[in-house]
Amino acid sequence: DQQVKQNSPSLSVQEGRISILNCDYTNSMFDYFLWYKKYPAEGPTFLISISSIKDKNEDGRFTVFLNKSAKHLSLHIVPSQPGDSAVYFCAASAKANAGKSTFGDGTTLTVKP
Amino acid sequence: GAVVSQHPSWVICKSGTSVKIECRSLDFQATTMFWYRQFPKQSLMLMATSNEGSKATYEQGVEKDKFLINHASLTLSTLTVTSAHPEDSSFYICSARGPGGPFGEQFFGPGTRLTVL
Repeated sequence: DQQVKQNSPSLSVQEGRISILNCDYTNSMFDYFLWYKKYPAEGPTFLISISSIKDKNEDGRFTVFLNKSAKHLSLHIVPSQPGDSAVYFCAASAKANAGKSTFGDGTTLTVKP
Repeated sequence: GAVVSQHPSWVICKSGTSVKIECRSLDFQATTMFWYRQFPKQSLMLMATSNEGSKATYEQGVEKDKFLINHASLTLSTLTVTSAHPEDSSFYICSARGPGGPFGEQFFGPGTRLTVL
């Protein structure tokens, strides 16, 4: 049973436009959510996170929205840049589970010049 | 941000041999490190949680006798794949948790590509 799902394996957007990456989760115990960016043959790098007590967190071009009732979160990148092309992983943690992260399968974002 | 290194970055070994992978936090002390495995075009699968000075906690389905984890110091954790077989070929990634309790940021290493012939 996959507890964190990223239903879109890939997304392609034009440079300068908005990229929206989606993530759904099933475990209501999750109380902290993170987005990571990963290039091939490298480890993930942390992008942005959000606690379950918030519904929005913004950091520069990156904004994460959390809809707890729908168990859904999304990452918005605006404006998108070619350097944003990578695999984006959504991850969820539960304080009750010592903060171990459960990852989605990732979405490959391609930003075209 | 904090730096986590892994060594080696790529290893090729014969079936039946053991391989040790090191994970180091270079500029901070990490009481908790995590080991992940990633198959091609798949998510990161948590294998085990490594706590300094204590036994690792393995996820369901991960053989602890096959994947030996040692976290001898606050900056070093090792994963030893014992009697490796071709099905163990994968990309292994470690992460180290920074300060901040259970939600302290995880800093990931660059990964180790293991190929078992």
